Amino acid sequence: GNSVTQMEGPVTLSEEAFLTINCTYTATGYPSLFWYVQYPGEGLQLLLKATKADDKGSNKGFEATYRKETTSFHLEKGSVQVSDSAVYFCALRKGNSKLTFGKGITLSVRP
Amino acid sequence: ETGVTQTPRHLVMGMTNKKSLKCEQHLGHNAMYWYKQSAKKPLELMFVYNFKEQTENNSVPSRFSPECPNSSHLFLHLHTLQPEDSALYLCASSQPGGGGTQYFGPGTRLLVL
Repeated sequence: GNSVTQMEGPVTLSEEAFLTINCTYTATGYPSLFWYVQYPGEGLQLLLKATKADDKGSNKGFEATYRKETTSFHLEKGSVQVSDSAVYFCALRKGNSKLTFGKGITLSVRP
Repeated sequence: ETGVTQTPRHLVMGMTNKKSLKCEQHLGHNAMYWYKQSAKKPLELMFVYNFKEQTENNSVPSRFSPECPNSSHLFLHLHTLQPEDSALYLCASSQPGGGGTQYFGPGTRLLVL
């Protein structure tokens, strides 16, 4: 079946540091890939997505590239801010199937 | 008001109480979902509705009873819950079928005493 694996957390960075959050997936064919973010006390918000290989999703300075050869969709940001502190979820959806989420990773950014 | 709204945002209930969670979406979607988010566990999909019809029930105990009277509203009726049911309950909506992005509400934080 489909699955998503995220790196273990939590992650703590200083403001303006470079961020990488790893995500790999298992699925046949070409699923759609998503990053969702959950700020403290809120629900999930779609951060970015990519629907085919080599697509790059981007939003709010975050980027992720759909890599079919490595089945990965790593999230990156060049300079994190305190306001980026949140839980980040990688997810996939194949065809008409449900969304499959990773476990999520907590990011804390220190001033 | 736009997006997906949920009420109440916080709920405390005893194990013998009956309560309901409400979700409303203003996005014109025809698919709605209930998820459970517990501490240190992956998001768990509970129910899926497409065009008001339940299309998925992921082995959810019968003490959780969903209701979808129309494409814009989704309820989760709760009765005789257990303390382990304490969690954040998230509602989402999307267009039905593959590739539809799901939009989430802010959730209801439930505490069962």
